[in-house]
Amino acid sequence: GAVVSQHPSWVICKSGTSVKIECRSLDFQATTMFWYRQFPKQSLMLMATSNEGSKATYEQGVEKDKFLINHASLTLSTLTVTSAHPEDSSFYICSAGKAGTQETQYFGPGTRLLVL
Amino acid sequence: QKEVEQDPGPLSVPEGAIVSLNCTYSNSAFQYFMWYRQYSRKGPELLMYTYSSGNKEDGRFTAQVDKSSKYISLFIRDSQPSDSATYLCAMSGLGDDKIIFGKGTRLHILP
Repeated sequence: GAVVSQHPSWVICKSGTSVKIECRSLDFQATTMFWYRQFPKQSLMLMATSNEGSKATYEQGVEKDKFLINHASLTLSTLTVTSAHPEDSSFYICSAGKAGTQETQYFGPGTRLLVL
Repeated sequence: QKEVEQDPGPLSVPEGAIVSLNCTYSNSAFQYFMWYRQYSRKGPELLMYTYSSGNKEDGRFTAQVDKSSKYISLFIRDSQPSDSATYLCAMSGLGDDKIIFGKGTRLHILP
């Protein structure tokens, strides 16, 4: 199988606080993980590419100091939304591809963030 | 012109009908073509994955890729109410990790 988990699935926080979201590949190793954001009725928008052991690559328009990504191991990547604001409220989804293969990415179940 | 175009719907069809979902794209470098199903408030689930042109069948689902027309399709036979979801097409180039998604088509199967 190829299972990707995310934690938490739901988070509500006050404006100005920081929120950390974890993405884990449970039964395979992933040298690269991806973080997406999805607003209601919109498609997935790639935010950044997370590389194990190195800095993440951010898409144009995504603030790297606001969305901190850490990929400390081959099975875990974290996204921290710093000083969250209501406009950061969204559905955050990670994906991972099996290391050393051309197989497509497998997605986590997503984390819904609501910033009050 | 966006790289991937997909009609957002909603598309409503009666149970048992054949559903046809489509996407067009502009980047001729795309080689991998995927269809994902996303239920409300859930992450996308991979349905079909094809490389280059041709057809691929898996149960009630058939994916078609026409690279000459830059057009891909997903057919669902004997549609069920449980097929009601948003279907996202996606594609990527050879050796490219990034996946480009369509906006998704909302599908409603009416009992």
